[in-house]
Amino acid sequence: DADVTQTPRNRITKTGKRIMLECSQTKGHDRMYWYRQDPGLGLRLIYYSFDVKDINKGEISDGYSVSRQAQAKFSLSLESAIPNQTALYFCATSGRTSPGTAELFFGEGSRLTVL
Amino acid sequence: DQQVKQNSPSLSVQEGRISILNCDYTNSMFDYFLWYKKYPAEGPTFLISISSIKDKNEDGRFTVFLNKSAKHLSLHIVPSQPGDSAVYFCAARFGNQFYFGTGTSLTVIP
Repeated sequence: DADVTQTPRNRITKTGKRIMLECSQTKGHDRMYWYRQDPGLGLRLIYYSFDVKDINKGEISDGYSVSRQAQAKFSLSLESAIPNQTALYFCATSGRTSPGTAELFFGEGSRLTVL
Repeated sequence: DQQVKQNSPSLSVQEGRISILNCDYTNSMFDYFLWYKKYPAEGPTFLISISSIKDKNEDGRFTVFLNKSAKHLSLHIVPSQPGDSAVYFCAARFGNQFYFGTGTSLTVIP
């Protein structure tokens, strides 16, 4: 089983619909992240959370919201989806960063298409 | 503004030869650099990293070089194998955030 699990893996929806992408992890990490991948733009940070009571905006948070329901769960919501939110979304986790232990662990991705 | 750049969208290399993937960055405060590998329909997986206080880190066939004066990072894969064909992302850490490049698609030709 994957250490970082995203659901759904694929979703097609219509403009204006509310969408939730869910992420759960079994790595015991405090830190969780949501990234978006677009062709030619790489991975861009949407939101991140360092514990259940901590939520921080990333580079491109407009149009998105998140909820950290528990240490192991971090959900991304699109309140009213629009076509330019069509992308591949990745959840990631990391332990407390320190020299030599900085890597992120990614889920398999959720492909969202907004028509 | 993109703080981490990978200017080559794609690279093709013959099996057994060296693959060199390049990455440039603008923020001199980055303290840690990483390379990730991504296969289609999978999430990125960590490959190798280097602290900003070092200039080289080696792990088997993979070596990362850091040139801080040039703000340049490179990943060398030698010898290249067909299974290395994937998209490679470089990333850099500043504070609590990681910044990613746009990726380079490597094709290793048998």
